[in-house]
Amino acid sequence: AQKVTQAQTEISVVEKEDVTLDCVYETRDTTYYLFWYKQPPSGELVFLIRRNSFDEQNEISGRYSWNFQKSTSSFNFTITASQVVDSAVYFCAHESAGANSKLTFGKGITLSVRP
Amino acid sequence: KAGVTQTPRYLIKTRGQQVTLSCSPISGHRSVSWYQQTPGQGLQFLFEYFSETQRNKGNFPGRFSGRQFSNSRSEMNVSTLELGDSALYLCASSARGGVEKLFFGSGTQLSVL
Repeated sequence: AQKVTQAQTEISVVEKEDVTLDCVYETRDTTYYLFWYKQPPSGELVFLIRRNSFDEQNEISGRYSWNFQKSTSSFNFTITASQVVDSAVYFCAHESAGANSKLTFGKGITLSVRP
Repeated sequence: KAGVTQTPRYLIKTRGQQVTLSCSPISGHRSVSWYQQTPGQGLQFLFEYFSETQRNKGNFPGRFSGRQFSNSRSEMNVSTLELGDSALYLCASSARGGVEKLFFGSGTQLSVL
């Protein structure tokens, strides 16, 4: 069975600091997808990124960057120059390819960015 | 384009009652999935519907059921409510389901007293 571990539960930083959110996953599948979602206080989860298991190229999108390493089964997320609006709960998730796939979430990391 | 709409936003019920939650997906989306979020268990997959058929189901008791209508709107029903059913229930939609990105609603906060 798949498992996603987000060892950090709460992180507090001061605005403009960089922050990295860790994610480690366990899977027996060779083809799978990894996701990051953000949940602001309003409740709805917002999609941030999806990577498939064959694409280890790291990605940068504005202040966000992702580091995917299959060798360590990690998919970490970094926010550069954090802002107060980044305060939210961040979830890492795994989904296998194929029929009957379902999204398995980590427990989430609560990020607080203080002004 | 309107987002995913869930109603009601808040619900208070007592043990033993049943409840029905509603979800309207983004127009054109045919897949609707449901998740339960609690402080202890986190986000857990309940089930997914695609074109009115349940395509996948999580590890929840039979008291949890759902359905999807021809317009892709979905309802989730919980019968014989227990205190442990208190949770935020989130609905998500996507065009085809599977490993696509999901669009979530704001959820229904259910409190069972």
